[in-house]
Amino acid sequence: SAVISQKPSRDICQRGTSLTIQCQVDSQVTMMFWYRQQPGQSLTLIATANQGSEATYESGFVIDKFPISRPNLTFSTLTVSNMSPEDSSIYLCSGQRQGLNEQFFGPGTRLTVL
Amino acid sequence: SQQGEEDPQALSIQEGENATMNCSYKTSINNLQWYRQNSGRGLVHLILIRSNEREKHSGRLRVTLDTSKKSSSLLITASRAADTASYFCATAIIQGAQKLVFGQGTRLTINP
Repeated sequence: SAVISQKPSRDICQRGTSLTIQCQVDSQVTMMFWYRQQPGQSLTLIATANQGSEATYESGFVIDKFPISRPNLTFSTLTVSNMSPEDSSIYLCSGQRQGLNEQFFGPGTRLTVL
Repeated sequence: SQQGEEDPQALSIQEGENATMNCSYKTSINNLQWYRQNSGRGLVHLILIRSNEREKHSGRLRVTLDTSKKSSSLLITASRAADTASYFCATAIIQGAQKLVFGQGTRLTINP
């Protein structure tokens, strides 16, 4: 299985601030994704992180709120901007290898916004 | 919008019993996958079944897929306390990139 790490693992933030989450994957991963999991809910795809270009966002998610970078094949960041308590969630990154359908998930970042 | 609907939302059984979880979806799929999540941590991939397959086994797991009914089931046999977790189905649609749409999940509790 792919090795995927995320940091921070958790954070408590004040309303109006921003938090950047980092995700590192092993070199066999080609596609990377960011998900949000609100308390007690399922996962919702935020965007596909594209290497060297703008991320592809899903309906309901915008770049101004969730800017994503992927400067190289194995690293991506998700920023949660201008946070409000409604942004309190677990944020997960995942990776997918070329030719395979399953995704490997990082351990997640548990964000609490006060 | 979420494509997968799972039932039950919560299931509590005794250790050693079998657990069955169901998933329904709305559109044509390329494959359907099941994942496990322990205590709000990252998800672990369990098993994948392709749209042209009807049943698949992996250890104590058995997955079925009925594309005519747009439904799947996950059976865990001889359950163990360590199987306590949330289980999610996820569908990969045919068109577009390999994106997964997750169901609402089933919270499984195995009582010792």
